[in-house]
Amino acid sequence: LAKTTQPISMDSYEGQEVNITCSHNNIATNDYITWYQQFPSQGPRFIIQGYKTKVTNEVASLFIPADRKSSTLSLPRVSLSDTAVYYCLVGDLQFSGGYNKLIFGAGTRLAVHP
Amino acid sequence: GAVVSQHPSRVICKSGTSVKIECRSLDFQATTMFWYRQFPKQSLMLMATSNEGSKATYEQGVEKDKFLINHASLTLSTLTVTSAHPEDSSFYICSARDFSGAADTQYFGPGTRLTVL
Repeated sequence: LAKTTQPISMDSYEGQEVNITCSHNNIATNDYITWYQQFPSQGPRFIIQGYKTKVTNEVASLFIPADRKSSTLSLPRVSLSDTAVYYCLVGDLQFSGGYNKLIFGAGTRLAVHP
Repeated sequence: GAVVSQHPSRVICKSGTSVKIECRSLDFQATTMFWYRQFPKQSLMLMATSNEGSKATYEQGVEKDKFLINHASLTLSTLTVTSAHPEDSSFYICSARDFSGAADTQYFGPGTRLTVL
């Protein structure tokens, strides 16, 4: 299982773009990169998932360089409600047999200020 | 996205009693579900992997006789904390694996707050 490294905390202000970078040097060929957001006393919420290059959805973008040893979650124009812990995880992609066991690291605590 | 529910959302019990927590995948079938626990200000810790129709696989250090897991159907897994003690008080979160789409994704339930008095 590939280990991930993220900044422990980040601070931002409302309306700014926030980029959180995750390092995963030992990522395997079949690994996907998934980001989750967690508010206090709630389960993690799926944000975005990708394998390579760039993925964009209605809430975020995920940038993955060619070597896939890192990834960057980009949150455009954050608001106070984006204050949360963000987790980057990598896991095996196995459609049959096996299972995708996600191991959580410490995550990044993002604080958005007025 | 896929929806996972948990019941109850919070439970308070006396020491020595058993507590059952249900995890359901509402709009997809999940052959594999996972159970985590989370202490305040800490990350999620994987407890066990629950596979439909077979025995659960527990992570090192997790007592299987203490935390009973049953995955009897493709949409339901249960975690029973047996003879609960105050040190079992924690936030328990389940997730369900959905690989019906292009990628293998896990969706998490809202969590269950267990307080043992």
